[in-house]
Amino acid sequence: QITLKESGPTLVKPTQTLTLTCTFSGFSLSTSGVGVGWIRQPPGKALEWLALIYWNDDKRYSPSLKSRLTITKDTSKNQVVFTMTNMDPVDTATYYCAHSLTVVGRCFDYWGQGTLVTVSS
Amino acid sequence: DIQMTQSPSSLSASVGDRVTITCRASQSISRFLNWYQQKPGKAPKLLIYAASSLQSGVPSRFIGSGSGTDFTVTISSLQPEDSATYYCQQSYSTPLTFGGGTKVEIK
Repeated sequence: QITLKESGPTLVKPTQTLTLTCTFSGFSLSTSGVGVGWIRQPPGKALEWLALIYWNDDKRYSPSLKSRLTITKDTSKNQVVFTMTNMDPVDTATYYCAHSLTVVGRCFDYWGQGTLVTVSS
Repeated sequence: DIQMTQSPSSLSASVGDRVTITCRASQSISRFLNWYQQKPGKAPKLLIYAASSLQSGVPSRFIGSGSGTDFTVTISSLQPEDSATYYCQQSYSTPLTFGGGTKVEIK
């Protein structure tokens, strides 16, 4: 049974760095074809893909945010860490991590419950 | 970036109706198209991957089709629990992109 859960601050100040951790179970990020991605959703708006890390440490980022994003994995802890620098109120959103498999076309088949991050002074 | 355009943005239909949502890609994405259902306050749920493959546990009334640039998801007989927002997503290339969503309401 695959599960994922996001953790981190619910409130950050403008210009601060956001660090979120995705802790997962039921799969290994050292298995060929496996990836974990981050997706966000501002209140009342659509989903936006942010970043993806694969079993082989290949990392992909949204070009519009690439300069602000970092994604890393700790295979031994079954965790993926996501950071976004220079936070702004427009970054207020629910942030999700999700499991992906290249063999089924990189869809996101399992999602965490999401964590709402508010950016405000 | 590949742009994904969904239509309509919202619809209202009766229980038992056949409902179709369309998703168009700005360039060919072969069959790298996925559909998600999201209910208020919940994470998205994968319904269909690779354009027409039904995710395990998803009712067979959800039918995906299409290839290239034009895709649809059809709910063959709308049920009350299908009230939700539906998103398409292309996984042909990064940046991965989502459509703007279609909100389905029950009359």
